Amino acid sequence: GDSVTQMEGPVTLSEEAFLTINCTYTATGYPSLFWYVQYPGEGLQLLLKATKADDKGSNKGFEATYRKETTSFHLEKGSVQVSDSAVYFCALSDRTSGTYKYIFGTGTRLKVLA
Amino acid sequence: EADIYQTPRYLVIGTGKKITLECSQTMGHDKMYWYQQDPGMELHLIHYSYGVNSTEKGDLSSESTVSRIRTEHFPLTLESARPSHTSQYLCASSEPGRGQVETQYFGPGTRLLVL
Repeated sequence: GDSVTQMEGPVTLSEEAFLTINCTYTATGYPSLFWYVQYPGEGLQLLLKATKADDKGSNKGFEATYRKETTSFHLEKGSVQVSDSAVYFCALSDRTSGTYKYIFGTGTRLKVLA
Repeated sequence: EADIYQTPRYLVIGTGKKITLECSQTMGHDKMYWYQQDPGMELHLIHYSYGVNSTEKGDLSSESTVSRIRTEHFPLTLESARPSHTSQYLCASSEPGRGQVETQYFGPGTRLLVL
């Protein structure tokens, strides 16, 4: 079945450091890929998405490129801020499987220090 | 921006009580979902609905039940709460966007503590 694997956290960085959170997936069809962010005490917010190979999703300085050859969708940001401290979830949705369900990774906690 | 609401945000309740967690969305989405989020952050799908009068159990077995009588409303009920039900419950809804890509939008969550 489809699956998503994220790097384990927590990830601790200093402000203005470069961020990479790794995400790889397995899917039998042609999935769409997503990154969600969860701030403390809140629900998940869509951060960015990509729907086909080589698409790049971007939002608020975050980027991720859909790499079919490496089945990856790594999240990057060039310069993190304290306000980026949150839990980040990678997810896929494979409509070719006939369902609309998401498969989520286990989440990666990011802590940015001033 | 999504408009999906959950009440209550926090609930502390004794064992054996019946509770209903409310979820409403104003976007007219047909599809709605309930997730249980454990302290380790992992999300588990416990129920979903593809429209009025449609409900399905998710990937994680749950003692809760759901109903979908109106498009905008998807309440989750625990008939007899137990400490093992202590968790965060997240509601979501989705619509097919451009290219038929389903994007899920989440509510703020209900944090439940059963004593």
